[in-house]
Amino acid sequence: DTGVSQNPRHKITKRGQNVTFRCDPISEHNRLYWYRQTLGQGPEFLTYFQNEAQLEKSRLLSDRFSAERPKGSFSTLEIQRTEQGDSAMYLCASSGQGSFGNTIYFGEGSWLTVV
Amino acid sequence: AQSVTQPDIHITVSEGASLELRCNYSYGATPYLFWYVQSPGQGLQLLLKYFSGDTLVQGIKGFEAEFKRSQSSFNLRKPSVHWSDAAEYFCAVGPASGGSYIPTFGRGTSLIVHP
Repeated sequence: DTGVSQNPRHKITKRGQNVTFRCDPISEHNRLYWYRQTLGQGPEFLTYFQNEAQLEKSRLLSDRFSAERPKGSFSTLEIQRTEQGDSAMYLCASSGQGSFGNTIYFGEGSWLTVV
Repeated sequence: AQSVTQPDIHITVSEGASLELRCNYSYGATPYLFWYVQSPGQGLQLLLKYFSGDTLVQGIKGFEAEFKRSQSSFNLRKPSVHWSDAAEYFCAVGPASGGSYIPTFGRGTSLIVHP
């Protein structure tokens, strides 16, 4: 059973460095989401892809953040010039189509600590 | 815009006692509703979902939830809590076919289980 896979699971970086997270969705899921979660909060939406098209971006996604999904398969989330406020867990999720395809399934998350 | 309110930040119960976690939503149409559970440092696991039909839905780990349209609520229940149920619980609304595909999460309720 291949669920949503994220790596790295943990990343510690110095302020100002760039980091990249990768997400491999469930096979054949055409929708992919990135969320951010800080301690004591629920997941906050960052961006959404349908196939390779990035259809929605949250205002939380500053210009230091960029996400891609080449060929509609895996996705990457890059954070440039990291700041301490970027420390959070970055969650990837995917979903398929159809009436029962609207459930989204989450990965284990990628923890980012900016020091 | 859709929104979810989980009015209880923390809930403490004794092992073996019954549990009810509250969730109220705001959504302009018939919602798709979900409950997820998150253990410390982990991603979110789907407990149950409501799309249509029977308003009482059964999920994994002995959980159930009831959709009450008149109260805009989707409360999660369990008749007898186990120590392993201690975790963070998130209610979510959406995505909905034909509308926004971006689920919105509540801030979560932390469940503490006393032996």
